[in-house]
Amino acid sequence: SQQGEEDPQALSIQEGENATMNCSYKTSINNLQWYRQNSGRGLVHLILIRSNEREKHSGRLRVTLDTSKKSSSLLITASRAADTASYFCATDNLREYGNKLVFGAGTILRVKS
Amino acid sequence: GAVVSQHPSWVICKSGTSVKIECRSLDFQATTMFWYRQFPKQSLMLMATSNEGSKATYEQGVEKDKFLINHASLTLSTLTVTSAHPEDSSFYICSAKATSGSGTQYFGPGTRLTVL
Repeated sequence: SQQGEEDPQALSIQEGENATMNCSYKTSINNLQWYRQNSGRGLVHLILIRSNEREKHSGRLRVTLDTSKKSSSLLITASRAADTASYFCATDNLREYGNKLVFGAGTILRVKS
Repeated sequence: GAVVSQHPSWVICKSGTSVKIECRSLDFQATTMFWYRQFPKQSLMLMATSNEGSKATYEQGVEKDKFLINHASLTLSTLTVTSAHPEDSSFYICSAKATSGSGTQYFGPGTRLTVL
């Protein structure tokens, strides 16, 4: 199974602080994506990083990828209360798994105002 | 762009009845759609891959006769939970992968199914 693991499982911070979430996976990948899910809602795509990329930025988000360690991190800078949500990483490997995404367990982020 | 809708957003039904959930890609064509199931405070688990014009591919442990999938067009896939039981109560989410582009999957808002 390529099921990823994320840590921490839950993270509680104050508004304005940075939040870092990590994701590890088990097999080789083509891409790694991060998604956000507000309680009881669908997933919102945040960012995609390809296996040949090491870092990517989008607004207050910074994603890194270390394929040698099979891990990725998502950094949210200057967090806001509206960032409170669950965050999931998802990987794909076209040759091994076709079009499927394999999701990590997720990190529940709570930003206190 | 890249909006996926699901209908209904929530449904309550009696045990033994069947429930149909629709997943539509509103502004793009999706050859492939995916159906996931999510229990409270857990991650998404892939149930099946739905391919337009062909039979769905089910993940191990998912009963194809219980979870019927039809992908009749490039913008619509349906999941029918047949003879629903309380243990089928869950959050069902679909996603659609654009026929062209980066291959990003776009997710619907989910359907909350409660079986009494």
